[in-house]
Amino acid sequence: DAGVIQSPRHEVTEMGQEVTLRCKPISGHNSLFWYRQTMMRGLELLIYFNNNVPIDDSGMPEDRFSAKMPNASFSTLKIQPSEPRDSAVYFCASGNAAQYEQYFGPGTRLTVT
Amino acid sequence: QKEVEQNSGPLSVPEGAIASLNCTYSDRGSQSFFWYRQYSGKSPELIMFIYSNGDKEDGRFTAQLNKASQYVSLLIRDSQPSDSATYLCAGTNTGNQFYFGTGTSLTVIP
Repeated sequence: DAGVIQSPRHEVTEMGQEVTLRCKPISGHNSLFWYRQTMMRGLELLIYFNNNVPIDDSGMPEDRFSAKMPNASFSTLKIQPSEPRDSAVYFCASGNAAQYEQYFGPGTRLTVT
Repeated sequence: QKEVEQNSGPLSVPEGAIASLNCTYSDRGSQSFFWYRQYSGKSPELIMFIYSNGDKEDGRFTAQLNKASQYVSLLIRDSQPSDSATYLCAGTNTGNQFYFGTGTSLTVIP
């Protein structure tokens, strides 16, 4: 059974460029989460969707960040324009909303120079 | 501010000993709690969840929840070097908000 799939696994970009991170949740899961992890701030919840609808986006840092979930099997997190302070590992996780457990993807390591 | 707090450690235990990881939370509305293990450079992996007061055992792992004291713990019996990782405690109040602690680093010494 495939787990959460994220792409790309690594992304290096220059400041000011647009970055798009992609996530395919586990089939049958109806919740999807985007997290950011840094040494300084730990694991931060950015946004989460339930049945493709954003429920809590209070963690999205600023207007440069946006997330979409057009269908149950795909989500994107976009940063435009990117800044060096956005460098982090971005995780996508999915789960069953009735039970609240989350299963994490392998992450995307983003470096903005 | 609703938070989950953990002692960042590092916690070191000898192989074969019991490792005890602790977590407190401030939101009395939190109902479900989770323990994740994260190896260096890897993603968090769910190892235990608990919803009810008391103990829940799964192999070498035991999760304990005390809602009156707002306290969650994870015990690892017969600790192995492969248990060396960072352990993250997480909680949710009804599935609308999720909170992760900053993690406790555990080292099991052979």
